[in-house]
Formats: sequence, C-alpha cells, structure tokens
Amino acid sequence: DAGITQSPRHKVTETGTPVTLRCHQTENHRYMYWYRQDPGHGLRLIHYSYGVKDTDKGEVSDGYSVSRSKTEDFLLTLESATSSQTSVYFCAITASGNEQFFGPGTRLTVL
Amino acid sequence: AQSVAQPEDQVNVAEGNPLTVKCTYSVSGNPYLFWYVQYPNRGLQFLLKYITGDNLVKGSYGFEAEFNKSQTSFHLKKPSALVSDSALYFCAVRDENTDKLIFGTGTRLQVFP
Repeated sequence: DAGITQSPRHKVTETGTPVTLRCHQTENHRYMYWYRQDPGHGLRLIHYSYGVKDTDKGEVSDGYSVSRSKTEDFLLTLESATSSQTSVYFCAITASGNEQFFGPGTRLTVL
Repeated sequence: AQSVAQPEDQVNVAEGNPLTVKCTYSVSGNPYLFWYVQYPNRGLQFLLKYITGDNLVKGSYGFEAEFNKSQTSFHLKKPSALVSDSALYFCAVRDENTDKLIFGTGTRLQVFP
C-alpha cells in the first residue's frame, strides 16, 4: 500500500457540517492526490499536490479544499457537506515509475 | 483531450477460461497506460503499465495487457481465470500535459466456478 493511510475510514455526517479527511504517507512522495469514486463515474480527481503548500484543482473541485503543510499529510476539507458529496474518497501518491498507489479509502455519508 | 473508455460494464467468464477486459484510449502523444484492480472495500491496486517497449506487458497475478497502437487499445488478459479474479478493473491513461491519471469507468469481472 506504499505506506498510505487514511482517516477516518468511515464517517457519517449531516448536511452543512464541515468535514476533514486525512491522508498520511510515510515514504516522502512529492505528489499526492484526492479522488472520489462513484458508481458509473470511476475515479475523479478532486485536488492534487505537487509539494508542501503547492496544490491545484482537479476536475471536481467545487465544494472541496485541501492543504498540505507537511510532506506526509494531505488534508481534504468539505467546507459545508452536501448529500452529493456522499462518496468513497481515495488518496493516492505517484511512485517513481509513474504509477499511482492508493490508500484504503474513506466512506463518507452525508445525511 | 486525453480519455480512456471501458466499453463493458461487466464481463462474465467461467473459471479456467481465458478472460479479456477491454480498454481504448485517446491521447495526443505517446500513451502511458495503466491497469488497476479493486477488490470489495479496498483501494485500487496497481496491476501493470505500458510506457514503452514490448507491446505485451506482464503484471501481477498472472495478468498481461496488449498495447495496440493502431487500434488505440490496451486490453487486459489472463489465460486462465480464477474465481478470486472477480473484482472491479480500471484502465487509466496519463495526461501528458498535466501528468495526472485519467480513469475509465471500470469493468466488473465476474468469474463463475
């Protein structure tokens, strides 16, 4: 799993509340990503980071923000959760051979 | 724009038979192509990749993929399917302008005993 952990693994929250998901890696990879996985859509990129404090938007970034204050941690925040953000969220890193390795995922339910 | 398509939502195959999961791509330059597998309640696991070189790429768990430039395809294959191969399979292509991966919508492989 390339030393990637995600927390929490499961979360149920209510509409309008803020939520922060954490991705932690232990191998000093430069690039980190947040994806969401929904049936019929595959994986869609939310945000990514190419270094400490260097982040950029992906294809479905609306309603999400990220922060990376340390190489090992990449945080995804839903400022005000909506039911459309119910999904499974995956963090990933890019290895030296261009392939990405993924964390175990966080299942988020917004009621 | 770069894109990848997996035309089959589900593929069913009997154990012991060969399997193929299809993927086609569209890129403006040289393609970097990947296959991933996802077992229930797990993250995606890297299976294999094509960057350059031989058109037949071998990967984990006995899987291989054939790169076909003229048909812009990168089909995943295995000579003899196992029930334990049942999972969700994703094809991906690297966007050469952004270095980001673009994923297909996934194909569910069901291997029957």
